[in-house]
Amino acid sequence: TQLLEQSPQFLSIQEGENLTVYCNSSSVFSSLQWYRQEPGEGPVLLVTVVTGGEVKKLKRLTFQFGDARKDSSLHITAAQTGDTGLYLCAGSGASGGSYIPTFGRGTSLIVHP
Amino acid sequence: SQTIHQWPATLVQPVGSPLSLECTVEGTSNPNLYWYRQAAGRGLQLLFYSVGIGQISSEVPQNLSASRPQDRQFILSSKKLLLSDSGFYLCAWSVIRVGSPLHFGNGTRLTVT
Repeated sequence: TQLLEQSPQFLSIQEGENLTVYCNSSSVFSSLQWYRQEPGEGPVLLVTVVTGGEVKKLKRLTFQFGDARKDSSLHITAAQTGDTGLYLCAGSGASGGSYIPTFGRGTSLIVHP
Repeated sequence: SQTIHQWPATLVQPVGSPLSLECTVEGTSNPNLYWYRQAAGRGLQLLFYSVGIGQISSEVPQNLSASRPQDRQFILSSKKLLLSDSGFYLCAWSVIRVGSPLHFGNGTRLTVT
């Protein structure tokens, strides 16, 4: 079973649209991270959230950590073609356990011009 | 600043041949080191991690092995490759702390023929 479930798996939108992707779990995490990965490259960290209810903004990207620290969302406003990529969430410290992050399967986003 | 180098970028090997992928980190001491495998643009599967020289933890039983001969060097090996070993292999480092982000190399695309 997957500890972190990401949805949707695939998303294809037009430039200028808004979108939200989700990362859900039945486990409580001490922290949760979002990464973006482009084809043929390693994932790059976007943000780390550690406090339940926390909201962080990175330009057009808004990240939210659920109050119970079991889920998170990433909202992109006015998507651009440069936002295309695989978005991965990763949680660590589940139920007081390992610091090693566990990854979801990712949301593959394509933004068309 | 810290950098991570992973090579080769691509590799095509016949079934039954040996494998050696190398990863080195610069600009930090005593990092945690990780090997992940990623199938077809999806989530990351943790293969091995190391908290110090000669200390290797295996997450998934398989015909791969890992070694850490120096503080900032991590090697992924196999004596005999299987077709199922094909994939995108990523090396990463982090500090030992819950919530510490992973810093990834650019990966090795391995095709076993």
